[in-house]
Amino acid sequence: GDSVTQMEGPVTLSEEAFLTINCTYTATGYPSLFWYVQYPGEGLQLLLKATKADDKGSNKGFEATYRKETTSFHLEKGSVQVSDSAVYFCALSESTDKLIFGTGTRLQVFP
Amino acid sequence: DAGVIQSPRHEVTEMGQEVTLRCKPISGHDYLFWYRQTMMRGLELLIYFNNNVPIDDSGMPEDRFSAKMPNASFSTLKIQPSEPRDSAVYFCASSPTGGNQPQHFGDGTRLSIL
Repeated sequence: GDSVTQMEGPVTLSEEAFLTINCTYTATGYPSLFWYVQYPGEGLQLLLKATKADDKGSNKGFEATYRKETTSFHLEKGSVQVSDSAVYFCALSESTDKLIFGTGTRLQVFP
Repeated sequence: DAGVIQSPRHEVTEMGQEVTLRCKPISGHDYLFWYRQTMMRGLELLIYFNNNVPIDDSGMPEDRFSAKMPNASFSTLKIQPSEPRDSAVYFCASSPTGGNQPQHFGDGTRLSIL
């Protein structure tokens, strides 16, 4: 069945460092791909999405490109801030109405 | 606009008691999802509704769990009897349509069963 694999965390960075969180997926067709972010004590929020191959989703300085050839959707940010500290979830949606989530990656940014 | 509203935010109760979690989705959203989040198992989909009708309840862990959606603006998730292993954060989410539309999450109910 469909699945999403994320890199294990926590990812620990200094402020202004470059961020990459890896995400790969398994799907039988052409899913839509998402990144959600969860701040402490809150629910998940959509960060960005891409619906077809080679699409780039972007929001708040974060970017991810839908790579069909490598079945990947890695999250990147050029310069992280302390306020970016959160848990990041990669997810996919294929032919059903459900989202398949990865296990989440905790990001900790220190000043 | 109001987002997804869940109540209570925190619930502490003793094993064996009935627990009812409540959710008000965003107005106009046709889909409602219930999730459970734990450190061990991550985020799990329990059940989801389309136009108030349960579509997939395969994630409901056992018969002690039940969910209802009596109208478009209200849903409940009930656990009876509750057990310590049910301790988790329970999230409700809604979306305007299914498929590739984003889901909007509430802030969750943190449930502790003693």
